[in-house]
Parts: sequence; C-alpha cells; structure tokens
Amino acid sequence: AQSVTQLGSHVSVSEGALVLLRCNYSSSVPPYLFWYVQYPNQGLQLLLKYTTGATLVKGINGFEAEFKKSETSFHLTKPSAHMSDAAEYFCAVSDSNTGNQFYFGTGTSLTVIP
Amino acid sequence: KAGVTQTPRYLIKTRGQQVTLSCSPISGHRSVSWYQQTPGQGLQFLFEYFSETQRNKGNFPGRFSGRQFSNSRSEMNVSTLELGDSALYLCASSLGVSSYNEQFFGPGTRLTVL
Repeated sequence: AQSVTQLGSHVSVSEGALVLLRCNYSSSVPPYLFWYVQYPNQGLQLLLKYTTGATLVKGINGFEAEFKKSETSFHLTKPSAHMSDAAEYFCAVSDSNTGNQFYFGTGTSLTVIP
Repeated sequence: KAGVTQTPRYLIKTRGQQVTLSCSPISGHRSVSWYQQTPGQGLQFLFEYFSETQRNKGNFPGRFSGRQFSNSRSEMNVSTLELGDSALYLCASSLGVSSYNEQFFGPGTRLTVL
C-alpha cells in the first residue's frame, strides 16, 4: 500500500537559514510525488511535483526537492527561509495503482523565527 | 482561469442533521476528489468522481456520499452528522484521472458539528 511519512510535525528555522522538510514514501511501483503548502484558512497549493525525468525538481517560491529512489525520499529544501514561508507543508504520493488518489503525509508545520 | 470554488465556506450543524457541500472545479477539469482534513487524522481521501462516475472511495462510512453533475460540479453529502465529522472538507480538481495529474484544491468548507 502507498504511504507517506513526514518526519517532524513541527520545524523551526531562523529567517535566512536552510529549510529542510523530510518526506519518505512507500510505493510498489514508480511513484509520482508532490509537495503542497497550506496557509491558514486556505486550501492546498502545489509547490512542485516529480513525475518522471530529472530527479531534482524546482518549484515555486524558491523551493526544490530531490527524488531519491534508493532512499525512497523526496525531501523539500529552500536555501534561505523567509517569514512568508511559515505554513503547513504536505508531501503526497500517487502512482499508477492508485489512479488519481493521493496519499498525504500528516504535514509539517514550518515556523520561521525572525 | 478561476480556481476551484467551494460553498459554503463555513457551516455549523448539530448532531443528527445532514449537510451538503458543493464544489465547482476549474473549467475543463473533469475529475473531482474530496478530502477530509482534521488535526488528528490529517488529510484523508473520501472519494473521486470522473464523468459523473465514482472511481475511487476512501474508508469512510456510508453516511458520506457524493455525486458529480454533467458540468463536472460535485456535491458531497453527510447524513446523520456526528461530532467527529467536524473538519475542513477540501475539494480538488484535475484534468484527468492519470496519477501524474496534479490536483488543484479549493479553499475548503469548515464544518462544525455541535
């Protein structure tokens, strides 16, 4: 069965510091991986996605993620945190077995300290 | 292009009542998925509709149902409301049913059951 594990439900970083949010997945077939961000009282917004091809994926707002098959990971990074990055981040997986059904991690709340 | 819209944004109901939530997908999108988001359980998949047919269903009781209309708009219904049904209900639309299609989320309907 497909699943996603996000290590660390809460992450705090200083403004300007590196952001690293961890995501590990399980899938019996090649996965499609997504990172979404959710601001308070809003829906989810896609940051980036990996389907095929280049394993380093660049997204919006300076975020990027690298698909590492050997580690079954898809960690999200940003070189320099900004106050506006404070939000909830969700990793999700789908694959050809799940159709259009996404499996989400439990989320990581990012706090940016000024 | 207008995004996914959900109505109403907020609802307060009492136990035993029923509720209907509405979702209008992005123009041209034919797949609509519904998710329940709670602090304890995170994002849980409810069901997915494509061309007026339910394609996938999550592990929720039969009190949760949905439908999709010919214009791709979707509704979900919850009957005999329980306190535990209090949650943010998110609707997401996508172009098709392939696993790599990203899902675009609406702002959600916040349901409170008293």
